[in-house]
Amino acid sequence: GENVEQHPSTLSVQEGDSAVIKCTYSDSASNYFPWYKQELGKRPQLIIDIRSNVGEKKDQRIAVTLNKTAKHFSLHITETQPEDSAVYFCAASQAGTALIFGKGTTLSVSS
Amino acid sequence: SAVISQKPSRDICQRGTSLTIQCQVDSQVTMMFWYRQQPGQSLTLIATANQGSEATYESGFVIDKFPISRPNLTFSTLTVSNMSPEDSSIYLCSVLDRGGNTEAFFGQGTRLTVV
Repeated sequence: GENVEQHPSTLSVQEGDSAVIKCTYSDSASNYFPWYKQELGKRPQLIIDIRSNVGEKKDQRIAVTLNKTAKHFSLHITETQPEDSAVYFCAASQAGTALIFGKGTTLSVSS
Repeated sequence: SAVISQKPSRDICQRGTSLTIQCQVDSQVTMMFWYRQQPGQSLTLIATANQGSEATYESGFVIDKFPISRPNLTFSTLTVSNMSPEDSSIYLCSVLDRGGNTEAFFGQGTRLTVV
């Protein structure tokens, strides 16, 4: 089955800096790669996703890149703000099946 | 999008007892998923609940401990049986976007504490 590795487990940045979180996956059949943000006590919320036919996707300050050959994908947050502080999870799946999550990255943005 | 109502939102239970968690979706969905999130950890898939057939369990999870029902396309239950303190976790149900976008939506979770 699919296995998703995520690094780093914690990340501390200054407000305005960029943050990068990296994930690798094991199943070459996976074709959907979302990123979720989870604030304390709340359910995970999708922030951006990418499909295997696309190499990069951007939404304002957030971007995701995918390297299918190397089986890794990354989340990039630019101009970080204190409200970006949360736990971020990457995940992988084949379309229409359950998501398999990485272990999460706790991002702390200090002002 | 899908709106998921999950209940109870939290409960404190005695060891050895069972708790049934309910998940109601505002639209018909083919598959529903149950996850466990232990304190400070990631989401681990327990099982996939399919309407009209038995649930499919992931490695490490068994039907006797986590029986699942899926009586129709909008509802599912997960029971945590013969609970021990190690079962203290958040349990979340999830569905996929029917529009085919593959986005997963989550219920608000059930915070279970076993004492």
